[in-house]
Amino acid sequence: QVQLQESGPGLVNPSGTLSLTCAVSGDPIDTKYWWTWVRQPPGKGLEWIGEIYLSGNTNYKPSLKSRVTMSLDKSKNQFSLKLSSVTAADTAVYYCATSTYYSLHHWGQGALVTVSS
Amino acid sequence: EIVLTQSPGTLSLSPGERATLFCRVTQSVSSTYLAWYQQKPGQAPRLLIYGASNRATGIPDRFSGSGSGTDFTLIISRLEPEDFAVYYCQHYGTSPPEFTFGGGTKVEIK
Repeated sequence: QVQLQESGPGLVNPSGTLSLTCAVSGDPIDTKYWWTWVRQPPGKGLEWIGEIYLSGNTNYKPSLKSRVTMSLDKSKNQFSLKLSSVTAADTAVYYCATSTYYSLHHWGQGALVTVSS
Repeated sequence: EIVLTQSPGTLSLSPGERATLFCRVTQSVSSTYLAWYQQKPGQAPRLLIYGASNRATGIPDRFSGSGSGTDFTLIISRLEPEDFAVYYCQHYGTSPPEFTFGGGTKVEIK
């Protein structure tokens, strides 16, 4: 059973870069999943950010593509998200998840990131 | 761009009652790419149904999904106290690859 745990700064300055890591346990990261990030602004719905496969191939939400970078670290069994030029609109709970069969089967507990000076 | 519209926005029901949640998609899609999630306050979403009708691991059989084309349904046959939550439908598009979520339906205790 895959388990996921997000970590990273809970506060980011406007115009800065949001950086989060998702630690994977229970399965090696070089497996069949697409490794995914989803966010949820306070009191709002879910928004997919993007995904990365073990080959390094990525798919990003078109409206975020210019600001998003995802990467895998096989040696640490983790994957990461960077979102640049953040504004208050990027304040959200950020979840990492696994994608298979076109759905998100395993989720981390989420990490709240607030963009504020 | 595919948009998912969930209805109703809020469903007020009593434990033991049947809940019927709807998800309408702006264009016909394959049922393979349609999923449903449950989210309780302060928790991550949990996958309930994938491929429109397949229950995820550990999901009780009171949850069932159906539908095709543009109209999909999630039914909770008899509401248990732990089922009061927000439910989201989700579609996976392939060109380009992208997940899209509906706005959610809140099932609350009447």
